Amino acid sequence: GENVEQHPSTLSVQEGDSAVIKCTYSDSASNYFPWYKQELGKRPQLIIDIRSNVGEKKDQRIAVTLNKTAKHFSLHITETQPEDSAVYFCAASEGFSGSARQLTFGSGTQLTVLP
Amino acid sequence: GAVVSQHPSRVICKSGTSVKIECRSLDFQATTMFWYRQFPKQSLMLMATSNEGSKATYEQGVEKDKFLINHASLTLSTLTVTSAHPEDSSFYICSARDRRGANGYTFGSGTRLTVV
Repeated sequence: GENVEQHPSTLSVQEGDSAVIKCTYSDSASNYFPWYKQELGKRPQLIIDIRSNVGEKKDQRIAVTLNKTAKHFSLHITETQPEDSAVYFCAASEGFSGSARQLTFGSGTQLTVLP
Repeated sequence: GAVVSQHPSRVICKSGTSVKIECRSLDFQATTMFWYRQFPKQSLMLMATSNEGSKATYEQGVEKDKFLINHASLTLSTLTVTSAHPEDSSFYICSARDRRGANGYTFGSGTRLTVV
């Protein structure tokens, strides 16, 4: 099955700086890679996702890059703000088409943005 | 957008009792529902995949007789924790994919189960 590794487990940055979280996956069949932000006791919130036919995607201060050859993808948050502080999870799925497949999650990154 | 309603949000039960958690897809048909468990400060771990009209598929190490899953309709899936013990205390969350929205997975709001 799929195995997703995520680093770092904790990340502290100064407000306004950039934050980068990296994930690797093992299953070359995976073709969908979402990133979630989860606040304590709440459901994961999708912040950005990317499919395997795209190398990079950006949405305002958030961007995701995907390297299919190396099987890794990264989340980039620029101009960080205190409200960006949360746990971030990457995930992978072979769910681009056809039947829904489960998401395999990374271990999570606790991001703290220091004011 | 797609919404999955999950109830209850919090439940406290005594050891040995059973607890049922419901997930309903409100505006789409969820032929497949995924059930995850999340312990404090840990990731979401898939417990089982629930398919409408058929038996659920359980992940290795998850007891199917303890975690009963029923997916009787295209909009409702339930997880029953039977004979709950304190070690079953966790955050349980369901997820389904709305095919109308590309690959988006929609999550329920989660259930915080505390077994005393």
